[in-house]
Amino acid sequence: DIQMTQSPSSLSASVGDRVTITCRASQDISGSLAWYQQKPGKAPKLLLYATSKLESGVPSRFSGGRSGTDCTLAISSLQPEDFASYYCQQYYTTPYTFGQGTKLEIK
Amino acid sequence: QLQLQESGPGLVKPSETLSLTCTVSGGSISSNYYWDWIRQPPGKGLEWIGSISYSGSTYYNPSLKSRLTISIDTSTNHFSLSLTSVTAADTAVYYCARRWLYYGLWGQGTLVTVSS
Repeated sequence: DIQMTQSPSSLSASVGDRVTITCRASQDISGSLAWYQQKPGKAPKLLLYATSKLESGVPSRFSGGRSGTDCTLAISSLQPEDFASYYCQQYYTTPYTFGQGTKLEIK
Repeated sequence: QLQLQESGPGLVKPSETLSLTCTVSGGSISSNYYWDWIRQPPGKGLEWIGSISYSGSTYYNPSLKSRLTISIDTSTNHFSLSLTSVTAADTAVYYCARRWLYYGLWGQGTLVTVSS
């Protein structure tokens, strides 16, 4: 199985801050990575796919990047509604696997 | 617009079978997507369970394969999950989701607790 190591597991930040979350794959996934946002009691919501493509309707303050097997999710200028948990997911091969999650909290 | 809705018992006894159904409304299940099950134990991360196409091709997580069956009924627009010999470790929120490589559409999820 491809292991997805996500960091940090938790993060405190303030409204207006820029934050970055990293996901490292245990092997090459050729950019086949998606990012999801999950709020308490709700299903995950797709933010980005193919590492850096923004899902329709997702604000442009969300962006994605890649360097080798490391992928990043950046949120510029945090808004109150952005405080949630974030998960990466590789869809390069089965079994599809997710990162452990990052909980983004208000400082 | 297309919506997914999970249904099934919220409580299952240990060693018994967990059965859930996902009803697809607002569109056809007979499309070029895969229909997946994903679960999330309370306070933990997400785990892919398995996948089925409209033609019935299945892909299972090897960690669950020996206990798992996913089926589809295109005439009634739903797909189902059956997980046998459950234990407390199978307690989770179970989501159904539509996959085109990644998951663009999810059901709201249903909590299944395994307990006597």
